[in-house]
Amino acid sequence: GESVGLHLPTLSVQEGDNSIINCAYSNSASDYFIWYKQESGKGPQFIIDIRSNMDKRQGQRVTVLLNKTVKHLSLQIAATQPGDSAVYFCAERNGGYNKLIFGAGTRLAVHP
Amino acid sequence: DAGVIQSPRHEVTEMGQEVTLRCKPISGHNSLFWYRQTMMRGLELLIYFNNNVPIDDSGMPEDRFSAKMPNASFSTLKIQPSEPRDSAVYFCASSLRRGAFFGQGTRLTVV
Repeated sequence: GESVGLHLPTLSVQEGDNSIINCAYSNSASDYFIWYKQESGKGPQFIIDIRSNMDKRQGQRVTVLLNKTVKHLSLQIAATQPGDSAVYFCAERNGGYNKLIFGAGTRLAVHP
Repeated sequence: DAGVIQSPRHEVTEMGQEVTLRCKPISGHNSLFWYRQTMMRGLELLIYFNNNVPIDDSGMPEDRFSAKMPNASFSTLKIQPSEPRDSAVYFCASSLRRGAFFGQGTRLTVV
């Protein structure tokens, strides 16, 4: 079996604190970005998206920031809750038809 | 809306056997994607379709893998013959405009 796998970075936060998850994307031509949340045993779940002509977009308790200069994307979660514990992936659209390329992911652990 | 539906949820098969994974996309979506997720490689795009036509299959690992989309509401991913290194979770996703929406995945174990 596999003995070496992706080492997911882990962000540990206290319940109620704000969380910031970062992502570096690879292609300067990517025009659309999405953050996904994946809970154990489930498929990735769409959280929030942003087009490359924007630098900030807000949802309910979440904000995505885009810095095209350094090819960096971040997801901010306000008042983090235990239910936010999951692996978070950024994805970039590279090519047409919503073809998405995923980053490695960050594990968010929320402690009471 | 029921979302993307995949079957089976779990599949255990012996090496050398044929495996077929199934996907029903969200009604009205015109793009469909097959991804594979492993600890080693993360989420990899295998192939995607637009309006039932395969657009890019460059992520398909070998000729043992094939995918079809005979109509807008059904797609299959077939592995023949299967090998232990094919063990992974396989996801199907569909899309219309914004984003892509994933099914719950099929966990494949090849022994």
